[in-house]
Amino acid sequence: NAGVTQTPKFRVLKTGQSMTLLCAQDMNHEYMYWYRQDPGMGLRLIHYSVGEGTTAKGEVPDGYNVSRLKKQNFLLGLESAAPSQTSVYFCASGRRGSLVQPQHFGDGTRLSIL
Amino acid sequence: ELKVEQNPLFLSMQEGKNYTIYCNYSTTSDRLYWYRQDPGKSLESLFVLLSNGAVKQEGRLMASLDTKARLSTLHITAAVHDLSATYFCAVTLSVNNAGNMLTFGGGTRLMVKP
Repeated sequence: NAGVTQTPKFRVLKTGQSMTLLCAQDMNHEYMYWYRQDPGMGLRLIHYSVGEGTTAKGEVPDGYNVSRLKKQNFLLGLESAAPSQTSVYFCASGRRGSLVQPQHFGDGTRLSIL
Repeated sequence: ELKVEQNPLFLSMQEGKNYTIYCNYSTTSDRLYWYRQDPGKSLESLFVLLSNGAVKQEGRLMASLDTKARLSTLHITAAVHDLSATYFCAVTLSVNNAGNMLTFGGGTRLMVKP
C-alpha cells in the first residue's frame, strides 16, 4: 500500500545543476501537488495539476517546471538550481470532488544546493 | 489572497495540562484541515472540518471550526509526550478553486515535557 512515493529522498546539488524530482501515486487521484517546506514555515504550493496533461502555477513557481504526462506521475524540475531552492519538497495527491478526503503526502525529498 | 496564521508558533507544555492552538484565516472558507508532522517525517491528516460549527475529536485532540469568525481551534486535553510534533492547519477556498489547493499556516511546534 504505497500511497505517494517520492524519489529521491535526499540529494545534494551544486549551483547551476539541474535535476528532476519524481512523484508517483497509486490511488488513482486526479489532483497532484508539489510543495516546498522551509525551516520553521508551513508548506507553500509550487505547482499543481488537476489532471493528466494539465499543470498550473501555485504560490511560488519561479525556478521550477512540472509535467504530468501520466495520471500517476508528477515531475518537478529544477533547470538551474540556486541555493534559495534548498528545501524539503513534498508531493501530495487528492481526489477530485471529494472534500472529505484530505490530501495525501509523500515522505519528502530533502534537497541541498551548494 | 488567502492568508492563514497560527498561534502560538511554539508551545512547551507539561504532561497532563490542557492547551489550545489557534488558526485564523483571512478569506471565506468552510473547509479546513489539520495535519501533524513529526520531525523529519511527512504530514499526517488529523481532522477535516467542512462546515460551520464542525467539531471532531480523536483521543486527546479536538478540533473545531467557526467560519463566521474565520477561526479553527485544536484543543489538547491532558497532554502526553507522544503528542509532541508540529501541527499545521490548512485552508482551501470555497469557490474558484479547481484543484482544491491548500494554504497552510506556519505551524505550531508542540513540545510536551514530563
